[in-house]
Amino acid sequence: GAVVSQHPSRVICKSGTSVKIECRSLDFQATTMFWYRQFPKKSLMLMATSNEGSKATYEQGVEKDKFLINHASLTLSTLTVTSAHPEDSSFYICSASIGASYGYTFGSGTRLTVV
Amino acid sequence: TQLLEQSPQFLSIQEGENLTVYCNSSSVFSSLQWYRQEPGEGPVLLVTVVTGGEVKKLKRLTFQFGDARKDSSLHITAAQPGDTGLYLCAGENGGSQGNLIFGKGTKLSVKP
Repeated sequence: GAVVSQHPSRVICKSGTSVKIECRSLDFQATTMFWYRQFPKKSLMLMATSNEGSKATYEQGVEKDKFLINHASLTLSTLTVTSAHPEDSSFYICSASIGASYGYTFGSGTRLTVV
Repeated sequence: TQLLEQSPQFLSIQEGENLTVYCNSSSVFSSLQWYRQEPGEGPVLLVTVVTGGEVKKLKRLTFQFGDARKDSSLHITAAQPGDTGLYLCAGENGGSQGNLIFGKGTKLSVKP
């Protein structure tokens, strides 16, 4: 089945630093990947759609200069949280799909804590 | 704005009991998916329903998509402690791939 690997699973960083999160499709090619954010006791919210070889599409209210997305290959998308602040602390999850009506495979998530 | 109202938010039951989780919206979805999420992990897909009125079974779990494709339900028969977890419904609009609208989830606890 489709497997999506996300790394790191946990990261603690200081305010003002940048953090990169990787999302890899292990056994399939994904021209499109998706990045979500989940706050405690809240639902997942789509942040952006990562498109291989082109610019990401950001949802309304998501700062593209703060959350840099790169999708340089068919199996890797990265999300970089730049100049992180404590309010950026959250659970970030990526997903991809092998095709319509197959649903989406999610990575295991990254718990970001900014101190 | 499309919203999915999921209920109940919390559910604590004894082993062997049955339960139903509901997911309702005023919007039509091209498909609706049910996921289960463990603490500190990403959601894991349980099922996708795409046809109005569709019923799918996964062992003791029965999923139904409403005729109008606006609502869905998850029924668990004879719940077991291993069913404990967060259950999420997510609707997809066919015009926006990947833009899943998630419900807030149902935290299920099954006590032995």
